[in-house]
Amino acid sequence: DTAVSQTPKYLVTQMGNDKSIKCEQNLGHDTMYWYKQDSKKFLKIMFSYNNKELIINETVPNRFSPKSPDKAHLNLHINSLELGDSAVYFCASSELGNEQYFGPGTRLTVT
Amino acid sequence: AQSVTQLGSHVSVSEGALVLLRCNYSSSVPPYLFWYVQYPNQGLQLLLKYTTGATLVKGINGFEAEFKKSETSFHLTKPSAHMSDAAEYFCAVSGQGYQKVTFGTGTKLQVIP
Repeated sequence: DTAVSQTPKYLVTQMGNDKSIKCEQNLGHDTMYWYKQDSKKFLKIMFSYNNKELIINETVPNRFSPKSPDKAHLNLHINSLELGDSAVYFCASSELGNEQYFGPGTRLTVT
Repeated sequence: AQSVTQLGSHVSVSEGALVLLRCNYSSSVPPYLFWYVQYPNQGLQLLLKYTTGATLVKGINGFEAEFKKSETSFHLTKPSAHMSDAAEYFCAVSGQGYQKVTFGTGTKLQVIP
């Protein structure tokens, strides 16, 4: 069984569109995260939820909106996509303060 | 506040040679330290972690790291490189209790046959 799963794995879309990425974890963790990894492999935290409550909200454009319907799910919705949004987005989960388990990533390409 | 510096964005070693990937950290509280590995087109996978206790930490795939508080370092080593070790390696730091995890910029390890 996959511990942290993301859908879709690849996402190709045009500028201006709205898209969502879904994440699910079956590890029973209480904290989930979204990271953005750029073309130089730099990994940047975007958001973190603990028990469905937003605890980290880095300097991210308002076009990005996370939603956590329950502890096991954290989705990322992106409005009005821009070329600079092209990256790999990783979901991760952990027990608060412990090591994180990462999903396989979603490669977003905006054309 | 916390930060991580990984010296060397690219490291090349010969198969069978020692692997040494350097990581220095800065933290205002006692740190938790991690090394993750990322294989091409995959997510990050935990190699090892230091929280408290023994400063020499052993991880998966023969890797180990030593926490040196006086040097604020957490370097990753492996005695003998294998071709399958070729990947991107990330050092990360967080604080005891909860603080967000800060990742270094990564070191790409190339293993030469």
